[in-house]
Amino acid sequence: EAGVAQSPRYKIIEKRQSVAFWCNPISGHATLYWYQQILGQGPKLLIQFQNNGVVDDSQLPKDRFSAERLKGVDSTLKIQPAKLEDSAVYLCASSLLLGGFTDTQYFGPGTRLTVL
Amino acid sequence: AQKITQTQPGMFVQEKEAVTLDCTYDTSDPSYGLFWYKQPSSGEMIFLIYQGSYDQQNATEGRYSLNFQKARKSANLVISASQLGDSAMYFCAMRDASYNQGGKLIFGQGTELSVKP
Repeated sequence: EAGVAQSPRYKIIEKRQSVAFWCNPISGHATLYWYQQILGQGPKLLIQFQNNGVVDDSQLPKDRFSAERLKGVDSTLKIQPAKLEDSAVYLCASSLLLGGFTDTQYFGPGTRLTVL
Repeated sequence: AQKITQTQPGMFVQEKEAVTLDCTYDTSDPSYGLFWYKQPSSGEMIFLIYQGSYDQQNATEGRYSLNFQKARKSANLVISASQLGDSAMYFCAMRDASYNQGGKLIFGQGTELSVKP
């Protein structure tokens, strides 16, 4: 079974530029998550989708970050314009169900973003 | 509020020995799940093991076991017979059953494990 796919793996941009990340979840997984992991910290949820609807985006900086999940499958996360503090690893995860405390999330390889 | 605490920023272990990575948690929800993930230098978060709050027995997956002490709110990961490939960051995470949360994982700060030959 193929895992969660993400691209690109690495991205370097100048501040105030825009960037987009792509994620394809495990086939059949209804729920998709985007996490931000700043160096030296644990991941923090940015947004969660159930199929193509948003379940939780309370931690997403909506003035610069946006995300969509068209057709309930793959997803894109965009940052426009980027700031220095956006330098982080962006992890995409998927799980079979929505919520519940037993549902395991499986992560992709992440995109390492450096903002100069 | 939910919280995960990992008090060991870094740990060393000799190859083939066992090691315990500590994790304590805080939640007011009686229904919750505890997860451990491994993150090598490549960056991918690899799921290791899961323990549910109502599980009577400690979870085991190969060389990984979870020492679950509910009254103490601890969920320590035990790795037996350490291998060089076990060198990585290890994260403890929790999610509870509250629908409003949407099921997000709350992560600790992580413990960096180094296995010495």
